[in-house]
Amino acid sequence: AQKITQTQPGMFVQEKEAVTLDCTYDTSDQSYGLFWYKQPSSGEMIFLIYQGSYDEQNATEGRYSLNFQKARKSANLVISASQLGDSAMYFCAMRAHLNFGNEKLTFGTGTRLTIIP
Amino acid sequence: GAGVSQSPSNKVTEKGKDVELRCDPISGHTALYWYRQRLGQGLEFLIYFQGNSAPDKSGLPSDRFSAERTGESVSTLTIQRTQQEDSAVYLCASSNLAGEFDNEQFFGPGTRLTVL
Repeated sequence: AQKITQTQPGMFVQEKEAVTLDCTYDTSDQSYGLFWYKQPSSGEMIFLIYQGSYDEQNATEGRYSLNFQKARKSANLVISASQLGDSAMYFCAMRAHLNFGNEKLTFGTGTRLTIIP
Repeated sequence: GAGVSQSPSNKVTEKGKDVELRCDPISGHTALYWYRQRLGQGLEFLIYFQGNSAPDKSGLPSDRFSAERTGESVSTLTIQRTQQEDSAVYLCASSNLAGEFDNEQFFGPGTRLTVL
């Protein structure tokens, strides 16, 4: 079984500052993927970034980067130069690469990020 | 439209009634997923379809919940004899990379179900 833990229920950050959202995970699987999704107040889930467990480089997508520390089982999301539009709920999720039939994502409880002008 | 669509956007029902929630995936996406999001919580997986078969329905909470999919298109999630604890947002997602490690799931706007 997999478990995702996000220990920050809410964060307030000044506009243009960088912010790190924490995510730790627990799995006995050797191969897995980690995802971050953003959920604005409108409710849709927006994919941000993916990190595979065997990827040697940390994933980056524009202002988003993933600080992946496999030994510590953490996959923190870093948002650089935060913008007002970054205010939203952020969810960390994982999927074990077990077999073709295992496609479900296991989600954490989320962090509500508020950017202050 | 280009994205995943769901209907209705909101549904209010009385305890004990049956409800049907509909999901239209992105055209060409072979995989379809249903999740449930209770207020203030993360998403809970319900069921996954590949084509019209369901390799993983391990997340369905009880036999009151069922889902079907027609070919590689529309899916319907049915909740029979609704209970107040069924109140949640039901999210549908689709993807075309099932089996790939970086399988990105594209989500719909959700259906907010309220059971009185």
